[in-house]
Amino acid sequence: AQKVTQAQTEISVVEKEDVTLDCVYETRDTTYYLFWYKQPPSGELVFLIRRNSFDEQNEISGRYSWNFQKSTSSFNFTITASQVVDSAVYFCALSEKAGTALIFGKGTTLSVSS
Amino acid sequence: DSGVTQTPKHLITATGQRVTLRCSPRSGDLSVYWYQQSLDQGLQFLIQYYNGEERAKGNILERFSAQQFPDLHSELNLSSLELGDSALYFCASSLGQGVHGYTFGSGTRLTVV
Repeated sequence: AQKVTQAQTEISVVEKEDVTLDCVYETRDTTYYLFWYKQPPSGELVFLIRRNSFDEQNEISGRYSWNFQKSTSSFNFTITASQVVDSAVYFCALSEKAGTALIFGKGTTLSVSS
Repeated sequence: DSGVTQTPKHLITATGQRVTLRCSPRSGDLSVYWYQQSLDQGLQFLIQYYNGEERAKGNILERFSAQQFPDLHSELNLSSLELGDSALYFCASSLGQGVHGYTFGSGTRLTVV
């Protein structure tokens, strides 16, 4: 069965600190997709990134970067030089096949103070 | 605007009542997914429809049901409501192949009093 674990329930940092959010997944499939979503206090789910299982290249987008390691079944998310606007709940999610439902982790609440 | 429309945005109702949540998927998307987000359970997958047919079921209670209509909009019906059903209900849509990802609506916040 598929499962996503975000062991960090809450993280608090001060502005400009770097922070890494951990995500560990379980799946029996060799083809799968991993996602990160951000949920700000307003409540909507904002798509951040999608990665398929065949692409292990790390990705950087501005202050955001993602480290995908199949050997440890992890897909970690790092925010560099955090800002107050980064305060949100971040969800890691997995879909085993294209067109199937996303399975979410419990989320990590990130609080960035000034 | 994500292209996925959910109505109503907020709903307050009493225990024992029945409500209907509506979702219009992004234009061209054939799949609709319903999720429930509660404080203790996180984001739980409820049910998926693809082009009018039920495709997959998650942790959906028997008191809950859904359908997808010919115009591809979907409705989630919640009956015999309990206090514990208070949650944020999200709808998402995808083309069906999932390759292009999932688009979420802004959610319906249900409060059962």
